[in-house]
Amino acid sequence: NAGVTQTPKFRVLKTGQSMTLLCAQDMNHEYMYWYRQDPGMGLRLIHYSVGEGTTAKGEVPDGYNVSRLKKQNFLLGLESAAPSQTSVYFCASGGTGYEKLFFGSGTQLSVL
Amino acid sequence: SQQGEEDPQALSIQEGENATMNCSYKTSINNLQWYRQNSGRGLVHLILIRSNEREKHSGRLRVTLDTSKKSSSLLITASRAADTASYFCATDVLGNTGFQKLVFGTGTRLLVSP
Repeated sequence: NAGVTQTPKFRVLKTGQSMTLLCAQDMNHEYMYWYRQDPGMGLRLIHYSVGEGTTAKGEVPDGYNVSRLKKQNFLLGLESAAPSQTSVYFCASGGTGYEKLFFGSGTQLSVL
Repeated sequence: SQQGEEDPQALSIQEGENATMNCSYKTSINNLQWYRQNSGRGLVHLILIRSNEREKHSGRLRVTLDTSKKSSSLLITASRAADTASYFCATDVLGNTGFQKLVFGTGTRLLVSP
């Protein structure tokens, strides 16, 4: 039972490049989240999903897109990376919108 | 703006002392949760307290919730060096789409010295 797995763990991009972060969970959870964590800012919600095929915007969605084609996977895309998107990204999953979340180990992204 | 705000931002204590950190939030909630994050790692769930509960215990953790003041506190008793981490509160918020979402505060960095 792996829990929540994020890939890749580290990535360096040049401004304007695109990439996709993958999150996979094996707990049959309905809810999945993408957060970004910046120094002094805590965790900020980017997008989340309440089930297969359903996504919603969080607090800081601009510059990101998401897809939930399969229940176990939640993808976060950066179409044209900007230095402001340098951050640590965390994926999490949970059974409902107000119960405990299980987190992945994070993806450290640098945009030069 | 963040739903939850922790106070203090940083706390430094000696082993064996108690550590108290506070969380304030803005909107009504179903429950409030506390998480811990070791440096460079993902968050780990510690404890959940429901809106109709006032106090909850788990091992050396004690959480209180005051819904009238929209605040919660996390007490770690008899702290250990291994408790050194960042601690975050999280609350459920109703999103614009009608779905609940979990929103985190800014965190308290706890340093426990041997």
